[in-house]
Amino acid sequence: DVKVTQSSRYLVKRTGEKVFLECVQDMDHENMFWYRQDPGLGLRLIYFSYDVKMKEKGDIPEGYSVSREKKERFSLILESASTNQTSMYLCASSYPGQGGFSGKYQETQYFGPGTRLLVL
Amino acid sequence: QKEVEQNSGPLSVPEGAIASLNCTYSDRGSQSFFWYRQYSGKSPELIMFIYSNGDKEDGRFTAQLNKASQYVSLLIRDSQPSDSATYLCAVNDSGGYNKLIFGAGTRLAVHP
Repeated sequence: DVKVTQSSRYLVKRTGEKVFLECVQDMDHENMFWYRQDPGLGLRLIYFSYDVKMKEKGDIPEGYSVSREKKERFSLILESASTNQTSMYLCASSYPGQGGFSGKYQETQYFGPGTRLLVL
Repeated sequence: QKEVEQNSGPLSVPEGAIASLNCTYSDRGSQSFFWYRQYSGKSPELIMFIYSNGDKEDGRFTAQLNKASQYVSLLIRDSQPSDSATYLCAVNDSGGYNKLIFGAGTRLAVHP
């Protein structure tokens, strides 16, 4: 079974603090993703990584950065937390695939339990 | 901007009925299609994926795909109160990197 874990289920931070959210997967997946989920807006991709030390911006990268020093670990960093970053943060991982239509299971993303972040 | 559209609901069905959830997508190059279920306060979990036009059945769930119409649907037969959740449709981004494009989800409520 694929297991994706996130460092915290609930987090309360103050405006201006630097916040670290960590995600670990145990299935040797190459791709990892960070999303935020807000009511009515669905899942929005913040950043993703397709290999160690490789990262790509998603749709809403402003105010965030990421780090992938080891294959199993993908960290999301809020450089200076703001109240509009209050949200549910979800990490996911998937197999690499070959790009485009790459066959069974390879694009399936497996999600961690999520971190509900409140910025005061 | 590539998009996946879903009716937000709530879709309310009586226990034992068939629930029909629909999704349209804009990326004509998409080849893989997924349905995730998300209970309130929890993370999404995969329930079905489909790659080929037509129907794919798994227990009480049937996914239907029509690539020409860019339309995906999920049927839940014999709906149970435990099926009450938000259902997210996702399609692969043909631009690569195994990205998925998610819809905002349809909330399903199954009442006894």
